Amino acid sequence: QVQLVESGGGLVKPGGSLRLSCEASGITFSHYYMSWIRQAPGKGLEWVSYISTGSSTIYYADSVRGRFTISRDNAKNSLFLQMNSLRAEDTAVYYCATLSYSIGWPFDSWGQGTLVSVSS
Amino acid sequence: QSALTQPASVSGSPGQSITISCTGTSSDVGGFNYVSWYQQHPGEAPKLMIHRVSDRPSGISNRFSGSKSGSTASLTISGLQAEDEADYYCSSYTSSSDMVFGGGTKVTVL
Repeated sequence: QVQLVESGGGLVKPGGSLRLSCEASGITFSHYYMSWIRQAPGKGLEWVSYISTGSSTIYYADSVRGRFTISRDNAKNSLFLQMNSLRAEDTAVYYCATLSYSIGWPFDSWGQGTLVSVSS
Repeated sequence: QSALTQPASVSGSPGQSITISCTGTSSDVGGFNYVSWYQQHPGEAPKLMIHRVSDRPSGISNRFSGSKSGSTASLTISGLQAEDEADYYCSSYTSSSDMVFGGGTKVTVL
């Protein structure tokens, strides 16, 4: 059974940084594209970024490009999101998810999310 | 990266069928058969219900079905049940190799 567990969320001041982690189990992590998706309080889902199996292909949403960096460590079954220059509008629950390009690009397994709050 | 357009809310009585639309452009929904649908209950993570426009993952009820016409995809829930009350989101791969979500639709079972 696939399990994705996010960590690293918390309260940070505007302009600050935070690094999120997502540890995977129950899957061959190195075989999966991975993605971060966020959801602001009371709002809809927003795709943030995804990374290919070997980290050679990376894409970001316009709203985070240049401030956020996605990475992965296949030896540790882990996905990361380094978030810099944080803004109030980055406040959200951040989910990690597998992204299965071979079956039509669905986010097919999701973690429970970690809350990031950006406030002074 | 404009969000796909979904109705804010859809409602129906138990046993009825409802349809949720997801409208994009030729650069996303209309250009690829890569539309997915997700169900999210309050306080929970989203759950994949449909992928590749109309494919159901293992374990998903056949009351859920998907289709697409042009740049509009649709999710139909047949035999509406109380447990179907949730938020539903569509997503699509885009010609920029990005991903995009719809704004979400709240389904209410009357």
